[in-house]
Amino acid sequence: GAGVSQTPSNKVTEKGKYVELRCDPISGHTALYWYRQSLGQGPEFLIYFQGTGAADDSGLPNDRFFAVRPEGSVSTLKIQRTERGDSAVYLCASSLIGRSGNEQFFGPGTRLTVL
Amino acid sequence: LAKTTQPISMDSYEGQEVNITCSHNNIATNDYITWYQQFPSQGPRFIIQGYKTKVTNEVASLFIPADRKSSTLSLPRVSLSDTAVYYCLVSPAPTGGYNKLIFGAGTRLAVHP
Repeated sequence: GAGVSQTPSNKVTEKGKYVELRCDPISGHTALYWYRQSLGQGPEFLIYFQGTGAADDSGLPNDRFFAVRPEGSVSTLKIQRTERGDSAVYLCASSLIGRSGNEQFFGPGTRLTVL
Repeated sequence: LAKTTQPISMDSYEGQEVNITCSHNNIATNDYITWYQQFPSQGPRFIIQGYKTKVTNEVASLFIPADRKSSTLSLPRVSLSDTAVYYCLVSPAPTGGYNKLIFGAGTRLAVHP
C-alpha cells in the first residue's frame, strides 16, 4: 500500500524566501507529525496534529514556522523568511491514534537548502 | 524523558550477528524501548519495541534485562543491506493517542562483504 509521501523531495531557496513543504500521510492515519533532521543527527520533533488541530507545537523553533492540516489528511509546513540555519531534511510521519506502541510511519523527507 | 547512550558506530561482516547495546539508566516505570532503522535518504523505520525480557519479530530481537537500564538490539546474520543508522528511543506508551519521539544521534552500522 501507499506510504507517507512528501513533496518536493528537494527544495533550494534563497535566504529570506517563503517555502511550503507538503505531506500526504497514510490513508486513515489521524496522527501526523513533522520532524527536522540535520546532518549527522537524529530527527527532532517539530509539531503533532491530531485530526485537523495542532495538539503539540512545542518543537517549532520560532514563529517563522507554521503548519496546517485543514481537512485532517494532507499537511503543509510553512517557513517564512527562511534562514541558512533552516537547511535540513524535513520529515513527516503518521500513525493510528489509539494503536498501542510508538510505531510511526515516516516519509522520505524534503531536503531544504537555504542559500 | 530518559536519555539514551549508544555507540556512535559499529562495523560487522555479512553473515554475522550484530548486537547494539543502548544504555538508559533513568528509564521510568511506564517507559517503553523502541528501535528505529534509517537508511540514507529515507525516513526512519520502526523495527521493534519492548518493555521487558525479550521480544522477537521477523527482523530483530530485543533483549531487556530485569533492571531495564539497558537494552540490546540483535540483528541475526546481517547482510550489506543492513547498513544503516539504528536509533534507540525510550518513551512512554502513547497517551491521548500520540507520542513525540525523541531521537539521539544513533549508531551507524556498516556491514562489509
